[in-house]
Amino acid sequence: GDSVTQMEGPVTLSEEAFLTINCTYTATGYPSLFWYVQYPGEGLQLLLKATKADDKGSNKGFEATYRKETTSFHLEKGSVQVSDSAVYFCALSDQGSGYSTLTFGKGTMLLVSP
Amino acid sequence: DADVTQTPRNRITKTGKRIMLECSQTKGHDRMYWYRQDPGLGLRLIYYSFDVKDINKGEISDGYSVSRQAQAKFSLSLESAIPNQTALYFCATSDPGEGQPQHFGDGTRLSIL
Repeated sequence: GDSVTQMEGPVTLSEEAFLTINCTYTATGYPSLFWYVQYPGEGLQLLLKATKADDKGSNKGFEATYRKETTSFHLEKGSVQVSDSAVYFCALSDQGSGYSTLTFGKGTMLLVSP
Repeated sequence: DADVTQTPRNRITKTGKRIMLECSQTKGHDRMYWYRQDPGLGLRLIYYSFDVKDINKGEISDGYSVSRQAQAKFSLSLESAIPNQTALYFCATSDPGEGQPQHFGDGTRLSIL
């Protein structure tokens, strides 16, 4: 079945540091890939997405590129802020299921200090 | 107002009680979902519905039931709550098709004593 593997956290960075959160996936078809962010006390919000190989999703300074050859969708940001502290989830929806459901990774907590 | 609204936001109850969590949406989406979130486990799908007459079990449906009362309303019930159902529960909605994201409510924190 489908699965998503993310690096374990917490990831602790100083403000303005470079961020990478690794995400790899296993899927039977050609999945759509997503990054969601969860701020404390809130639900998940879509951060960015990509639907085909070599697509780059971007939003709020975050980027991720759909790499089919390495089955990866790593999240990056060049300069993090304290306000980026949150839990980040990588997820996929699979063509095989008709893009009907999402499979999530376990989440990576990011803590950014001033 | 929020597009996906969950009630209650917090609930504490006792083992054996029946509990209903409610979700309503103003996004006009046909698809609705219920997840639970546990520390270190991410989100796991409980049930999902593609329209009022289409209900499907997810990964962890045992001990739960759902009702889709209308396009905009999807309720989750715990018929006889047990302590290991203590978790954060999320409702989500989406349109069908490739690349369509899901839109989440703010969650219900449920504690079963």
